Amino acid sequence: ETGVTQTPRHLVMGMTNKKSLKCEQHLGHNAMYWYKQSAKKPLELMFVYNFKEQTENNSVPSRFSPECPNSSHLFLHLHTLQPEDSALYLCASSQAPGGGQETQYFGPGTRLLVL
Amino acid sequence: AQSVTQLGSHVSVSEGALVLLRCNYSSSVPPYLFWYVQYPNQGLQLLLKYTSAATLVKGINGFEAEFKKSETSFHLTKPSAHMRDAAEYFCAVNSGGSNYKLTFGKGTLLTVNP
Repeated sequence: ETGVTQTPRHLVMGMTNKKSLKCEQHLGHNAMYWYKQSAKKPLELMFVYNFKEQTENNSVPSRFSPECPNSSHLFLHLHTLQPEDSALYLCASSQAPGGGQETQYFGPGTRLLVL
Repeated sequence: AQSVTQLGSHVSVSEGALVLLRCNYSSSVPPYLFWYVQYPNQGLQLLLKYTSAATLVKGINGFEAEFKKSETSFHLTKPSAHMRDAAEYFCAVNSGGSNYKLTFGKGTLLTVNP
């Protein structure tokens, strides 16, 4: 149990659908992250929120829209995705980024398949 | 800029044998280094991290890693592999300062044979 939960764990959607991924952390952290994990590729950082403010958008297409209503919750809204967006989407949290030695705690991920 | 190279996408060992997973990094400043493990259908779990306090870092499940600045390496070892160690292992670097981004390697899949 890492203290970071993600729902749903699996999601199948068509290219015209709209869906949302949810992440919740119970660790009292102030920073939250979305990563994309594709086969044979390193984890790709997508977005970073620090004290509810977005501090990083790693050139992510606009069909991915993050939302962070408070420090404990993070959403990733999905619309008009492409098949190449199929991947494992991981959420993580940490103490507010400071010197770089903060440990990021990961959720179990949402396995997304876009048909 | 920072980067991580994990040599060997797949390592196979026998149960009881030494585990050695290689990680080399590139960083313009002294880095913070991390090893994470990912079991099937799970997220990443921290094994250990180097934060400049000691070059030999001990982690969970009997793993340890040694920071070697001259070799820009942070290899992960375990003296005796268990079946439960079968998983994917990721090395990551964070150069710190205003750059709080973790950069991950591509991962090494460890298989343990009975």
